[in-house]
Amino acid sequence: QVQLQESGPGLVRPSQTLSLTCTVSGGSISSGDYYWSWVRQPPGKGLEWIGYIYYSGSTYSNPSLKSRVTISVDTSKTQFSLRLSSVTAADTAVYYCARALGGIDAFDLWGHGTMVTVSS
Amino acid sequence: QSALTQPASVSGSPGQSITISCTGTSSDVGSYNLVSWYQQHPGKAPKLMIYEGTKRPSGVSNRFSGSKSGNTASLTISGLQAEDEADYYCCSYAGSSTYVLFGGGTKLTVL
Repeated sequence: QVQLQESGPGLVRPSQTLSLTCTVSGGSISSGDYYWSWVRQPPGKGLEWIGYIYYSGSTYSNPSLKSRVTISVDTSKTQFSLRLSSVTAADTAVYYCARALGGIDAFDLWGHGTMVTVSS
Repeated sequence: QSALTQPASVSGSPGQSITISCTGTSSDVGSYNLVSWYQQHPGKAPKLMIYEGTKRPSGVSNRFSGSKSGNTASLTISGLQAEDEADYYCCSYAGSSTYVLFGGGTKLTVL
């Protein structure tokens, strides 16, 4: 079955750029039925949607993060990626990649999540 | 746009029913039948329990049900079981500027 797996550094310095990749295995990332998403969760807090990308490359981001967020897709590698620039301690969180059902915005498949700490 | 509003905690005894509310606005919950609910156990990824307000994914117990009235969506869990103890989050489509909003989460305690 389809699985998602996040990868990337667990520690990022303040003001630097956080970079994460989500690998989709067991299925196609080019299905028009889904949007490929990033969601984060600061320690002890709730979920925050970061953004998602369609296989064609169209992206949609949380307005509060939009100026710092870049989401890209590599269909040949069945991967999509997140770059978050100018990070601060407030960006410390577990970052999840997830699959959203197109047209209904329900996240039906999630990765296990990866903890990213912003600290010098 | 602000997060959707959920109670911080709810509790119930085994076998009882509980309801978790999720209050938004006419720009999100009130305008679209696109509310989803997620269950999250400690240290685990969220799990989709309800989508499009009332629909259950395959494999989710029929003890879980969703509804909506105006700007408020609700998740009801009947016949509470110990394994239902978790955090629950609502989520709604919020239009073509904001796109997706999550609620702040509700901790369910099974007494």
